[in-house]
Amino acid sequence: EAAVTQSPRNKVAVTGGKVTLSCNQTNNHNNMYWYRQDTGHGLRLIHYSYGAGSTEKGDIPDGYKASRPSQENFSLILELATPSQTSVYFCASGVLGVSYEQYFGPGTRLTVL
Amino acid sequence: GEQVEQRPPHLSVREGDSAVITCTYTDPNSYYFFWYKQEPGASLQLLMKVFSSTEINEGQGFTVLLNKKDKRLSLNLTAAHPGDSAAYFCASNNNNAPRFGAGTKLSVKP
Repeated sequence: EAAVTQSPRNKVAVTGGKVTLSCNQTNNHNNMYWYRQDTGHGLRLIHYSYGAGSTEKGDIPDGYKASRPSQENFSLILELATPSQTSVYFCASGVLGVSYEQYFGPGTRLTVL
Repeated sequence: GEQVEQRPPHLSVREGDSAVITCTYTDPNSYYFFWYKQEPGASLQLLMKVFSSTEINEGQGFTVLLNKKDKRLSLNLTAAHPGDSAAYFCASNNNNAPRFGAGTKLSVKP
């Protein structure tokens, strides 16, 4: 069954440290997305990608970088983690085209101390 | 860019009652909309997607209404049961990067 997986599922990091969140999809979808979920804000779009080698800024990209080395993999990188980046991060994949829904991974809970 | 406002943030109903969640959006070019359900500690699962100017879609125990004139989308759980307790999110998509509402946490009491 097609799936979106994320690793790690839980992460504790220190302020100023580098954090990499990984996402893998077996859906063969062109589009991939990173969101963060915070109480009162729902899901906010950080970065997304239309395919290997492409990354686009979402609504809240500051402090985050993204990398899409292949169709299957999409990473979110926090070069200098801050406590304000403590959140639950969701990766999703989707078919190219606005009519198609997204398929979400299980989420990564990140705590920055 | 697109702004999606979702109300209410919290909703508590009795089993068998109806529960209505509403989203409004700003971008007149948005034309695909989605409702997702998120159970506690879990990821988001698609409930329904809706398209076209005014549409009523019926699923298992719920109805979705889209009114493009008013830029309003609603989810109506017609006879809620405790298994419907979850967070619900609307999303709109006009450029391959869906934007979400802030969510509604629904609690259905027996």
